[in-house]
Amino acid sequence: DGGITQSPKYLFRKEGQNVTLSCEQNLNHDAMYWYRQDPGQGLRLIYYSQIVNDFQKGDIAEGYSVSREKKESFPLTVTSAQKNPTAFYLCASSTLAGASGELFFGEGSRLTVL
Amino acid sequence: AQKITQTQPGMFVQEKEAVTLDCTYDTSDPSYGLFWYKQPSSGEMIFLIYQGSYDQQNATEGRYSLNFQKARKSANLVISASQLGDSAMYFCAMTLSDSTLTFGKGTMLLVSP
Repeated sequence: DGGITQSPKYLFRKEGQNVTLSCEQNLNHDAMYWYRQDPGQGLRLIYYSQIVNDFQKGDIAEGYSVSREKKESFPLTVTSAQKNPTAFYLCASSTLAGASGELFFGEGSRLTVL
Repeated sequence: AQKITQTQPGMFVQEKEAVTLDCTYDTSDPSYGLFWYKQPSSGEMIFLIYQGSYDQQNATEGRYSLNFQKARKSANLVISASQLGDSAMYFCAMTLSDSTLTFGKGTMLLVSP
């Protein structure tokens, strides 16, 4: 089945550790996105990529890094520089259809910093 | 910068009744898309309905319809005949020509028997 796979679903880390969240899609979509969601809040854009080997910062990129070496994969690293990393992270992908492009989401990864 | 506003933090509705979830948006871009997503407690985002800025008619998808009032910059979601399974967070979102999606803060809908 076509879709977006995020892993792990739940992740715990100690303060000061980097952690990488995986996002893989088999929809042949050009664009991929990472969003962060805090309790009672909407989604905020961290990074996005519209082509392999290129990506742009979103609204809250500080403390995060990404790579886009393959079309199917867009991993997100939460670095120790991110001051409040505990959150729900959602990966999404879309065709580059401009204003009509629907985003397809993964099931999310819940990160808790102990 | 574009902005999405959802003024209702929570809404209650009785099963089988209709409910309207409010959404207003702000953009100077003439080309934009408006989306509604449902997020159940499991966390995944489920696409419900889409309205393009140039669409003349209001979008409908089954029990969901989008009341698009362009002059007022509003895109309210109407759910007819509510079901218990409709209890969830609902997000209004807007995309512009750069394909990025901006979300509102959401409305929690609770459907009671």
